[in-house]
Amino acid sequence: DAGVIQSPRHEVTEMGQEVTLRCKPISGHNSLFWYRQTMMRGLELLIYFNNNVPIDDSGMPEDRFSAKMPNASFSTLKIQPSEPRDSAVYFCASSFRGRDMGYEQYFGPGTRLTVT
Amino acid sequence: SQQGEEDPQALSIQEGENATMNCSYKTSINNLQWYRQNSGRGLVHLILIRSNEREKHSGRLRVTLDTSKKSSSLLITASRAADTASYFCATAYNTNAGKSTFGDGTTLTVKP
Repeated sequence: DAGVIQSPRHEVTEMGQEVTLRCKPISGHNSLFWYRQTMMRGLELLIYFNNNVPIDDSGMPEDRFSAKMPNASFSTLKIQPSEPRDSAVYFCASSFRGRDMGYEQYFGPGTRLTVT
Repeated sequence: SQQGEEDPQALSIQEGENATMNCSYKTSINNLQWYRQNSGRGLVHLILIRSNEREKHSGRLRVTLDTSKKSSSLLITASRAADTASYFCATAYNTNAGKSTFGDGTTLTVKP
């Protein structure tokens, strides 16, 4: 299994530009999570999906952030317009949530976003 | 607010010594997990302990859970330089929400 795949691995963009981060979860997993990690704020959960449906987006910082999961094998996190304070490492993680309620999450390698 | 809080924030030991990290949380949980993050990488799941378990082992890792004190500890025995990383606890609530809340982590440095 290739694990969780994220693209791009690095993104440098100018303030005001639109940024789209992509994630392919592990096949068979039914939950997907988007996190943001910075030195100042640590690891923050932005949004998570269960069976492609957004369950909790309370961590999304503001309306500039949006996330979609059109099918079980793909999700995007979009920032429009981007700002320097959005600079961070963005992680996607997936897990299988079944009757046993296992919560082990498998993280992708992350996308390092720099907004200048 | 953060559910899990690790202690200490940073820990430096010599290779071969044991490393103990603690995690405290505030509300009832379904389970608690420990993850490791090497510099520049994503988090890697290490071990999960359920609320009805008190201790769990995995190789050189030993995790304990005390639900009465709302705390957990991660012990790494016979540490190696390769264990240098940040370690996070994550707690899952007694809901069907399916999410876990991560603490700020303990940075462990193992000196060769």
